[in-house]
This record gives sequence, structure tokens and C-alpha cells, in this order.
Amino acid sequence: ILNVEQSPQSLHVQEGDSTNFTCSFPSSNFYALHWYRWETAKSPEALFVMTLNGDEKKKGRISATLNTKEGYSYLYIKGSQPEDSATYLCAYNNAGKSTFGDGTTLTVKP
Amino acid sequence: DGGITQSPKYLFRKEGQNVTLSCEQNLNHDAMYWYRQDPGQGLRLIYYSQIVNDFQKGDIAEGYSVSREKKESFPLTVTSAQKNPTAFYLCASSIDIGSGGYTFGSGTRLTVV
Repeated sequence: ILNVEQSPQSLHVQEGDSTNFTCSFPSSNFYALHWYRWETAKSPEALFVMTLNGDEKKKGRISATLNTKEGYSYLYIKGSQPEDSATYLCAYNNAGKSTFGDGTTLTVKP
Repeated sequence: DGGITQSPKYLFRKEGQNVTLSCEQNLNHDAMYWYRQDPGQGLRLIYYSQIVNDFQKGDIAEGYSVSREKKESFPLTVTSAQKNPTAFYLCASSIDIGSGGYTFGSGTRLTVV
């Protein structure tokens, strides 16, 4: 079983704060790294697909970077809003199937 | 609208009974997956299917069975051999096995009493 780790496990911030969290994964045989957002009572929703070392992706106030050589990806949220509260999952795709981290649960307080 | 549907949302069964969870997609995706989530843990892969009439064991396949007779459908049976069946089950699909990028269903919460 591949080891995909996310940190921190949970995070509480005030509205307007910027925050970031980490996903680490095996650096060998890398194929793709996916980020998902999972809001309570909803299905996980795809945020980013990252495939190349040095990739940077952005969607609104959320962005992500990828370092395949050292095996990590960062997810950044600028100016957090209460609607950003969710669990953020990363998934390491190798040999066709994805191994998920345990997620980082973000709570943004108004 | 295209999507992936899991039913039922909540399911209760007596210990020792087999139970089948439904997963249907109309996205024309080739690949489908079943994951399990336990409290405080991430998603763990039970079974996946790359194409019709083919499926592979994931990391925690013991006590489960699947079939893929139609492209649209990938039902999961939780058998009496599964020692801790109470969990949240998520089904997902993707265009093909290599593209990652999953579309998820809304999940089924199974409680065995």
C-alpha cells in the first residue's frame, strides 16, 4: 500500500486568513497528483490535476504546487472564507488507481 | 445531467447478511471504483474496474465482491465474511483507468447491527 500523507489533520482559521497544507507521496513512478474538496453532506469535488514537476494550478483563491522530485504538493487558500470549510483530499495516481491521503479538514470561522 | 448515483443513502442490515450497494453512472466512463471510509480515516480502495467484465482487487478487498456486467453499473456486495462492514462507502468513476480525475457518488452509509 502506497503511503500518502497529509498535514495538518485539521486546521481552524479566521475569515480572511491565508492558509496552506501539504500532501506528501512517493517520488518514484509518479503519474499524477489530484486534489479534491469534500464538503459535508456532498460528494468530493475535483480541484486540480497535477502531472508535471513544478506545476502550479490556480482556481480563484485556491492554488496548488507540485514537486515530484521530493514528493510533495502544497495547497494554498488566500483570504479564507467560511464557504472554504471542507476536507481537502489529495490522491496519488500510480498504475491507474488512486491512493488517497486522510485529508486536511479546514474550518473557517466568520 | 450526467452523474453518478449511489443508492440507498443509508442502509441497515443484520450481522451475517449479505448486502448489495448500487452504483450507476451515465458519464460513459470506462473505469469505476469502490472506496470505504471509516471515522477519522481516509478513503481506502476496495475494488476497481477498468472496463466491462473486468475488475481488480484493491487494498482491502477481503469480504467484498463486485460485478461489472454493464458499463453503467458497478454494484458492490458486502458479504458476511467482511468482519467490520459498518462504514461509509463511496463509488467513483473516471474516463479511463489512467486519467485519475474521479467523479464521485454521494455515498452509502452502511450500518450492520
